[in-house]
Amino acid sequence: DGGITQSPKYLFRKEGQNVTLSCEQNLNHDAMYWYRQDPGQGLRLIYYSQIVNDFQKGDIAEGYSVSREKKESFPLTVTSAQKNPTAFYLCASSYGQTQETQYFGPGTRLLVL
Amino acid sequence: AQSVTQPDIHITVSEGASLELRCNYSYGATPYLFWYVQSPGQGLQLLLKYFSGDTLVQGIKGFEAEFKRSQSSFNLRKPSVHWSDAAEYFCAVGYSGNTPLVFGKGTRLSVIA
Repeated sequence: DGGITQSPKYLFRKEGQNVTLSCEQNLNHDAMYWYRQDPGQGLRLIYYSQIVNDFQKGDIAEGYSVSREKKESFPLTVTSAQKNPTAFYLCASSYGQTQETQYFGPGTRLLVL
Repeated sequence: AQSVTQPDIHITVSEGASLELRCNYSYGATPYLFWYVQSPGQGLQLLLKYFSGDTLVQGIKGFEAEFKRSQSSFNLRKPSVHWSDAAEYFCAVGYSGNTPLVFGKGTRLSVIA
């Protein structure tokens, strides 16, 4: 079955630690996205990528980094500079241009120890 | 800047009653319009979308939405709500020009017996 996988489902971060969230898709989609979700705030765009080896900052990119070395993969690193990382992180992908339908993964919940 | 407004943060309806969730967007150009549903702790699932053509769109799970250009609205409706419809619902808007979708903050639906 085609789809988007995110791992792990839960992730714990210690103070000063960088952690990486995985996102993989086998839909042959060109564009991929990372969102952060906090209660009552909807989805906020962190980064997005329209093609391999290229990505753009979203609305809340500070404290995060990404890479897009393969079409199928778009990992997100939450760095120690992100002072409030506790949230639900969603990865999505779309075929072609960024205004097309987005398909979402199941999410990763990040908690700070 | 493009924006999407979902005026109702939380709605409670009785099982079997009709439902309408409101969505308004800010920009005047012909938009791409979406409704997504999210169950707790999960990713978003596409309910329906409008790109062009008939302004009344049918989706999954018995939902429909109507695009009204004069009101800049894309309200979601269901004639008879089931307890399993309890979830959070997100409206999203996109425009041509390679800018990502803009999501509303969501409406949480509770269903009572």
